Amino acid sequence: EAQVTQNPRYLITVTGKKLTVTCSQNMNHEYMSWYRQDPGLGLRQIYYSMNVEVTDKGDVPEGYKVSRKEKRNFPLILESPSPNQTSLYFCASRSAGGTEAFFGQGTRLTVV
Amino acid sequence: GDSVTQMEGPVTLSEEAFLTINCTYTATGYPSLFWYVQYPGEGLQLLLKATKADDKGSNKGFEATYRKETTSFHLEKGSVQVSDSAVYFCALSNTGFQKLVFGTGTRLLVSP
Repeated sequence: EAQVTQNPRYLITVTGKKLTVTCSQNMNHEYMSWYRQDPGLGLRQIYYSMNVEVTDKGDVPEGYKVSRKEKRNFPLILESPSPNQTSLYFCASRSAGGTEAFFGQGTRLTVV
Repeated sequence: GDSVTQMEGPVTLSEEAFLTINCTYTATGYPSLFWYVQYPGEGLQLLLKATKADDKGSNKGFEATYRKETTSFHLEKGSVQVSDSAVYFCALSNTGFQKLVFGTGTRLLVSP
């Protein structure tokens, strides 16, 4: 089954404790992105990657890092999480020739 | 920059009622337009899309027409069901589809 898989689905952590949210897709897609969803703001892009070892900032990259060492994986790293990073996070992937983005089920992160 | 504005929710309807969710956009060039749906606890799924002016996207009884003259992409359905209860996001994609720009989402609640 074609899918984008994020882990974990839910995470509660403390300020400053480094964490990684994993994202994996099995569709051989070139493009992958991370978005955060906040009430009243919709989804905003954090980082995107057009292929292995090619990443770039989206609209709200501060406080986040990403890497794309393999085509299927695009982890989101919070080196020192803060409460304002409490949000619902989505990973998405898309083929280079397509228009439809496929989304993971989301990771609800709470930073206390 | 590019932006999407959609009507505030929640929209509350009875089963079999007619649905309209308004969406307008601001963008340079000729963006592609999308409606995504988010069911409770799930990620976003593409509902329909239109890639050029006057195109009509349709799926599962939902329709939206790309109106360049009014920069709109309103979502309509003739007869809603309880199972249509979800959050609906209007979005656009420009500049090589590297980023989706989302509206704030509209929650639809359909009662029996």
